[in-house]
Formats: sequence, structure tokens, C-alpha cells
Amino acid sequence: GQNIDQPTEMTATEGAIVQINCTYQTSGFNGLFWYQQHAGEAPTFLSYNVLDGLEEKGRFSSFLSRSKGYSYLLLKELQMKDSASYLCAVTPGKGSYIPTFGRGTSLIVHP
Amino acid sequence: NAGVMQNPRHLVRRRGQEARLRCSPMKGHSHVYWYRQLPEEGLKFMVYLQKENIIDESGMPKERFSAEFPKEGPSILRIQQVVRGDSAAYFCASSTGTGLNTIYFGEGSWLTVV
Repeated sequence: GQNIDQPTEMTATEGAIVQINCTYQTSGFNGLFWYQQHAGEAPTFLSYNVLDGLEEKGRFSSFLSRSKGYSYLLLKELQMKDSASYLCAVTPGKGSYIPTFGRGTSLIVHP
Repeated sequence: NAGVMQNPRHLVRRRGQEARLRCSPMKGHSHVYWYRQLPEEGLKFMVYLQKENIIDESGMPKERFSAEFPKEGPSILRIQQVVRGDSAAYFCASSTGTGLNTIYFGEGSWLTVV
């Protein structure tokens, strides 16, 4: 089976840095994805990690440790528009490339 | 717009009626996924299709729900005899089915059963 855990909610201040953690236990591993979802809108793709280490993409970075079943999404220089839900998803591989999603972390950015 | 297209965006049905949700994948994508999202919950996988084939329907309720992706035209998720518990956002996503297989979502269809 697949199990993906994220904190339910986080708050942070505009201009600050926030780290959103994701742990997973899956029957296999092919890749880990992060999506952003604003209320009432579709999830939009942010990043993916296949190998261990940090992937940087502008203000957003994502880290993966496959041995620990752990990832985090790092958001720098927070802006009000970053208030959204952040979804962690894993594809198990082994013939299945269907992403399984965590419940998402609701991030609230305060001025 | 070359993105994933879903319609209708909002749909209201009375209990017992049928709901049909449509999805056209992104240009160049031949793999379609349907997910359901209930309020305050995560995205739950329902079904995975390629043209004319259902590849994995392990997340689909056994009764009242069906999906297809014909050779021509959009993928359709059909819910018969809707009940209040079917009220949710239904998201379609598509991918190339190759490589890392990143999936991209449509805007969603919000079903309300009254």
C-alpha cells in the first residue's frame, strides 16, 4: 500500500522561508512530485525528484532522501500569493506510474 | 489553450440523476487519469485510461461509476443515480505515459448533488 504524510497546516510571514515536509511509505519508488493548489483551482505542477538531493527552481526547492522516505519543499522570500495547499505525490513504479497524493499542507502567509 | 480541458466546470444534479464529466487531454498526451477531491481531503485516484482502454480502475467505486476514453473525442466519467456523497471536485489529468510521467491537471468539475 501507499502512505504519504504531510502536516495539515502551516503559517509563515511574508518574506520568510518555510519548509514543508513529506514522508512516504510506498511499495516502490519511481519519483516524488510537488503540486500547488489554490482554493477552488486545479493543482499545478511545481517540481519532481527522482534522485537524492536538492532540486532548485527559483524561489522553490525540493529535496529527496529515498533511504529515509522523506522529502521537503522549501519556499523562500514568501509572498502572499504563496498561500495555498501544497501536495506531495509519489509514483511507485514497478509497473504503476499512477501518482498517489498526500492530503496536502495548507500554507497561510501573513503580512 | 493546449492544456487539459474539462467541462462542465460546475454541475448541479438532483439525487438519482446522471452526471457526465468530460476531459480532453493536453495536446500530445494519450494517458488520462481521473481523481476525486472531497472537501478538506486529498486527491483520490479513481481510474487511469489510454485511448479505448481502461488500464487501472482500482479506485473506482464498483457501482454507478464508469469511465471511457474513446478513439475519438474526450474521456468521460459517468456517475449514474447520483447521491449526496458524490458531491466533490473531479479532476482530470493527462500525461505522455513515458519517462517520469508527470501528470498535468485540468481545472476540475465541481459536482453538487441536491
